[in-house]
Amino acid sequence: GQSLEQPSEVTAVEGAIVQINCTYQTSGFYGLSWYQQHDGGAPTFLSYNALDGLEETGRFSSFLSRSDSYGYLLLQELQMKDSASYFCAVKTTDSWGKLQFGAGTQVVVTP
Amino acid sequence: SAVISQKPSRDICQRGTSLTIQCQVDSQVTMMFWYRQQPGQSLTLIATANQGSEATYESGFVIDKFPISRPNLTFSTLTVSNMSPEDSSIYLCSVEDPGRAHNEQFFGPGTRLTVL
Repeated sequence: GQSLEQPSEVTAVEGAIVQINCTYQTSGFYGLSWYQQHDGGAPTFLSYNALDGLEETGRFSSFLSRSDSYGYLLLQELQMKDSASYFCAVKTTDSWGKLQFGAGTQVVVTP
Repeated sequence: SAVISQKPSRDICQRGTSLTIQCQVDSQVTMMFWYRQQPGQSLTLIATANQGSEATYESGFVIDKFPISRPNLTFSTLTVSNMSPEDSSIYLCSVEDPGRAHNEQFFGPGTRLTVL
């Protein structure tokens, strides 16, 4: 079966940098996505990695190492509005686009 | 980007009844996905709905409990049947935009269901 592990909660101050790690076990790995979800809101797409390396999108970056079955999401210059849940999600080669989500990491940004 | 609407946005239902949730997309898509998110939990895929064929259910979810319709490329419904309090969750539909290179999925705003 598939499994994803990520920390349950991370707390940091405004302006800081936060790294959320995600390790996965799956067969037929295709890519790793990251989604943000604010309380009461729908998940929104942040980033996607199919190949090893770093993808940068503004203050957010995502990294993937396929050989280590590991990825992370890096949040830089934290702002209060970044307080949310962050989910890593795996897509597999036989999944027709469906995603399996990790348990989520609650990021709490303090002044 | 795809814009998705869901109806109803929330409902409170009695045990033993059924509720049908509608999902409308502003563009034609091949696959639509239905997820459940219990309070404070992650998203769990219920089923994948492909237009013109039966939905494909994930382990632990059955058609009798969660019948799905997919009459065209922009619309789907999920019914939660014979509800119990354990069905209290947020139900979300999503689509993958094939025009996006990075496999982005778009989610509807969700339907918040409370079963008494």
